[in-house]
Amino acid sequence: QKEVEQDPGPLSVPEGAIVSLNCTYSNSAFQYFMWYRQYSRKGPELLMYTYSSGNKEDGRFTAQVDKSSKYISLFIRDSQPSDSATYLCAMTYSGGSNYKLTFGKGTLLTVNP
Amino acid sequence: ETGVTQSPTHLIKTRGQQVTLRCSSQSGHNTVSWYQQALGQGPQFIFQYYREEENGRGNFPPRFSGLQFPNYSSELNVNALELDDSALYLCASSAPGNTEAFFGQGTRLTVV
Repeated sequence: QKEVEQDPGPLSVPEGAIVSLNCTYSNSAFQYFMWYRQYSRKGPELLMYTYSSGNKEDGRFTAQVDKSSKYISLFIRDSQPSDSATYLCAMTYSGGSNYKLTFGKGTLLTVNP
Repeated sequence: ETGVTQSPTHLIKTRGQQVTLRCSSQSGHNTVSWYQQALGQGPQFIFQYYREEENGRGNFPPRFSGLQFPNYSSELNVNALELDDSALYLCASSAPGNTEAFFGQGTRLTVV
């Protein structure tokens, strides 16, 4: 079983739709959760960063963490064609001397005008 | 404030050759991590450097090695290149004690 599972999609939605992206994980030690956006042939861009369980909102983006279910989500409201990209979930834990990120496979999102 | 920069952006090498990739960390960031991203996959952790020393390593063979310099910039060296080493190599930097990692644009390595 992979430590982090993410449905690779692809996911295609019309402009203005609400998008839900999800990851599950198996390592209960994970405490820091991130969502990155990656455009084709570019490096990942940090979108959202959350610690432990709960919700965090930033503009059209909401990140949700449910540690009891080992499940994290990213919601995009009023999706735009410019949101078309691959979305990667990533997570790490404290207590070690380094903070290596463990990534999901990424979900390819296309928002159609 | 400049972000993370990597060079070169693209590189083609022959199997068995050696390659060096370079990374300049974001201002104020003293920790640099390297990741390998194969096509259609998420990035995989190679290793991390902190204060010029290796500070954790992923499941990569010893022919993957690195350096960090006093100005916190870093190099990734790969010896005896194999076809499977073809990937996007990403560098990420972090501020002291901070788990947020910021990535460069990557170096796309093709081994033929």
